Amino acid sequence: EADIYQTPRYLVIGTGKKITLECSQTMGHDKMYWYQQDPGMELHLIHYSYGVNSTEKGDLSSESTVSRIRTEHFPLTLESARPSHTSQYLCASTTQGENTEAFFGQGTRLTVV
Amino acid sequence: AQSVAQPEDQVNVAEGNPLTVKCTYSVSGNPYLFWYVQYPNRGLQFLLKYITGDNLVKGSYGFEAEFNKSQTSFHLKKPSALVSDSALYFCAVRDQYNFNKFYFGSGTKLNVKP
Repeated sequence: EADIYQTPRYLVIGTGKKITLECSQTMGHDKMYWYQQDPGMELHLIHYSYGVNSTEKGDLSSESTVSRIRTEHFPLTLESARPSHTSQYLCASTTQGENTEAFFGQGTRLTVV
Repeated sequence: AQSVAQPEDQVNVAEGNPLTVKCTYSVSGNPYLFWYVQYPNRGLQFLLKYITGDNLVKGSYGFEAEFNKSQTSFHLKKPSALVSDSALYFCAVRDQYNFNKFYFGSGTKLNVKP
């Protein structure tokens, strides 16, 4: 079992609240990713990081922000949650190697009411 | 540009029958190809990957995949489906020139009926 953890697993929150989704990995991986998964299944890359103090926006525009102060930690923050942010958020990590697979956390299912 | 296509939203198969989940890709350089499975309310689990070498790759839970360079395909297969194989399956690709990102297909829902 891959050692990448996401908390909380489920979150129901009111509109306008600030939230942080946590993602931690104990594998020493340099690269980390956040994906947003539609109810219709498709995965969209919203943020990624090559290492400490490096973050990049993904292919899908997102109002969320990320930080990478420590190798093992890659939190995602929404300053003001809206119903359109309701989705599943998946965190993943991988090594620097070009042919290595990504390891995924269990996901956080966010519902904004 | 890199991309992955999974042409079938859903595949239905009877238990004990062989299954195939299709995937085609487009990359600039040599591809690195992956299959993942997702069960309800879970993250993605790695099944297998193709890097180089034999075109037939064997992975977890009896799954295998066949790499076909001329058809730019990487179809997932299993000789005998189980009801417990019912899940979402995602194909993904990286390439040798832009390997910082994984590009995922839209997913295929596999239904195995008893």
